Amino acid sequence: NAGVMQNPRHLVRRRGQEARLRCSPMKGHSHVYWYRQLPEEGLKFMVYLQKENIIDESGMPKERFSAEFPKEGPSILRIQQVVRGDSAAYFCASSYNRGRETQYFGPGTRLLVL
Amino acid sequence: AQTVTQSQPEMSVQEAETVTLSCTYDTSENNYYLFWYKQPPSRQMILVIRQEAYKQQNATENRFSVNFQKAAKSFSLKISDSQLGDTAMYFCAFGDNTDKLIFGTGTRLQVFP
Repeated sequence: NAGVMQNPRHLVRRRGQEARLRCSPMKGHSHVYWYRQLPEEGLKFMVYLQKENIIDESGMPKERFSAEFPKEGPSILRIQQVVRGDSAAYFCASSYNRGRETQYFGPGTRLLVL
Repeated sequence: AQTVTQSQPEMSVQEAETVTLSCTYDTSENNYYLFWYKQPPSRQMILVIRQEAYKQQNATENRFSVNFQKAAKSFSLKISDSQLGDTAMYFCAFGDNTDKLIFGTGTRLQVFP
């Protein structure tokens, strides 16, 4: 029973490039959450998606960041024109249902912007 | 807005001893749930324990137990018989029906041989 999978595990980008982070939820889970962890800080909520729908994006920066969870395939967090301040660990979590379900986390993607 | 506070940036304990990590939170809600997650050097986030606010009984998972004081809005984690593999960052998290988790800033635990 595979857990939440994220790839790549490490991603290096130069300023101005695009970063694409992928997340495959646990089998049977249709709810996906993205969190960002800046160095020496806790995780901060970014966005919550169900299949083909963004439910809550209150934690997403207004510009350059977008997320999707298509009917087929993984959830994608996309960061356009990356800046050094985007360097962080990005975690994806999934749950079976919404509301009061436990969220299980993937191993994270470490993004480094040079 | 909900907040989670972990007032101990770093803690240390000797192997086989017991250590308690503190967490307090602020909310006006009555129906919520709380977690402790562990983040070892691999940086993976691992669920340690979950507590429902409506349950008076403290949750336990093997060597891990919590002291949940709802009136005081306190949710501490006790690790008994500490092992070297317990060395990690520990995050307290608050959840409600909004679907997002609110995390504290973490406590770095070092277990010494």
